[in-house]
Amino acid sequence: GENVEQHPSTLSVQEGDSAVIKCTYSDSASNYFPWYKQELGKGPQLIIDIRSNVGEKKDQRIAVTLNKTAKHFSLHITETQPEDSAVYFCAASEEGLIFGTGTLLAVQP
Amino acid sequence: NAGVMQNPRHLVRRRGQEARLRCSPMKGHSHVYWYRQLPEEGLKFMVYLQKENIIDESGMPKERFSAEFPKEGPSILRIQQVVRGDSAAYFCASSPNGQGKDTQYFGPGTRLTVL
Repeated sequence: GENVEQHPSTLSVQEGDSAVIKCTYSDSASNYFPWYKQELGKGPQLIIDIRSNVGEKKDQRIAVTLNKTAKHFSLHITETQPEDSAVYFCAASEEGLIFGTGTLLAVQP
Repeated sequence: NAGVMQNPRHLVRRRGQEARLRCSPMKGHSHVYWYRQLPEEGLKFMVYLQKENIIDESGMPKERFSAEFPKEGPSILRIQQVVRGDSAAYFCASSPNGQGKDTQYFGPGTRLTVL
């Protein structure tokens, strides 16, 4: 089955800097890769997703890149703000989503 | 359009009791997924259901756990004879078309504490 690895587990940046989170997956048949943001005590919230026929997708300060050959995808957040502080999860699709282990992002004001 | 709803938000049970967690998908969504999140860990897939059918239960523990999504009413995740290790947050997600490639929208979760 699919296995998703995520790095780093924690990331601290200064407000205004960029943050990058990386994930790798094992199943070359996976073709849908969402990213979720989870704040303390809340459910995961979809922030961006990408499908395998696309190499990059951008939505304002958030972008995701996908390298199908290398089987890795990354989340890029530019101009970080304190409200970006949360746990971020990548995932790859089988019937249910297979999640990475999460990255705790702390944006220091 | 209301989002995915889960209740109760918090549930406390003593060892050996039963826990019933409910999930109402977004309007128009007929596919429901259940995930478990242990403290300080990521989300683990448990089961995928359509109306009246279990499609994939590969992540479901073999004993004490069951799930249903009846023709009418919410999806139910049932845990019999709960043990302390069942303490976790249980999240439900829904999607309109399923097949693993559809965007899944998550509910706020039910936090189960087993005393």
